[in-house]
Amino acid sequence: QKEVEQNSGPLSVPEGAIASLNCTYSDRGSQSFFWYRQYSGKSPELIMFIYSNGDKEDGRFTAQLNKASQYVSLLIRDSQPSDSATYLCACPGGGGNKLTFGTGTQLKVEL
Amino acid sequence: GAVVSQHPSRVICKSGTSVKIECRSLDFQATTMFWYRQFPKQSLMLMATSNEGSKATYEQGVEKDKFLINHASLTLSTLTVTSAHPEDSSFYICSASQYGGADTQYFGPGTRLTVL
Repeated sequence: QKEVEQNSGPLSVPEGAIASLNCTYSDRGSQSFFWYRQYSGKSPELIMFIYSNGDKEDGRFTAQLNKASQYVSLLIRDSQPSDSATYLCACPGGGGNKLTFGTGTQLKVEL
Repeated sequence: GAVVSQHPSRVICKSGTSVKIECRSLDFQATTMFWYRQFPKQSLMLMATSNEGSKATYEQGVEKDKFLINHASLTLSTLTVTSAHPEDSSFYICSASQYGGADTQYFGPGTRLTVL
């Protein structure tokens, strides 16, 4: 089992809809989780991180963490075409001295 | 805050030459810097983890003699691709973490290397 798993997509949503991106992880000891956005040809940029169970909101983005189910998700409200990108989930792995990244989910927001 | 720069952004070189890429944390001190490589339409691949003043820790399958990493200060790490070949052509991205380990990583803009 991969340490961090994401559906590669593409996930297509219409403009204005809620995009839901999901990620599961295998290390029950993981305490911190990160979501990055990567536009084609660019490097990843941090969207948000979450440490505690429950929801964390930042503008149109909400991260949801369920440690019991080893599941973290990212909701994007009022999706815009500019949100079209690959979204990477990351959590500590490899002995805790680095982050392990999922392969990413490609999101397409269509007009 | 948390700005990381990389230089150069793009480099084209002949096969057999060496290329040095710099990664700088501009507004924070980075205990740990990471070097990634990404081929087109593929996921990030961690090459090595670098702590200031220490030898880098390379991931399995990454040749340490080919990819030389130096982390001489808390704001600068360099990656040198030695004797580059066309198969080394890729997008090289560094990231920096203030506290290291599983702390937040901030990515540089990347360096696109093309080896002819």
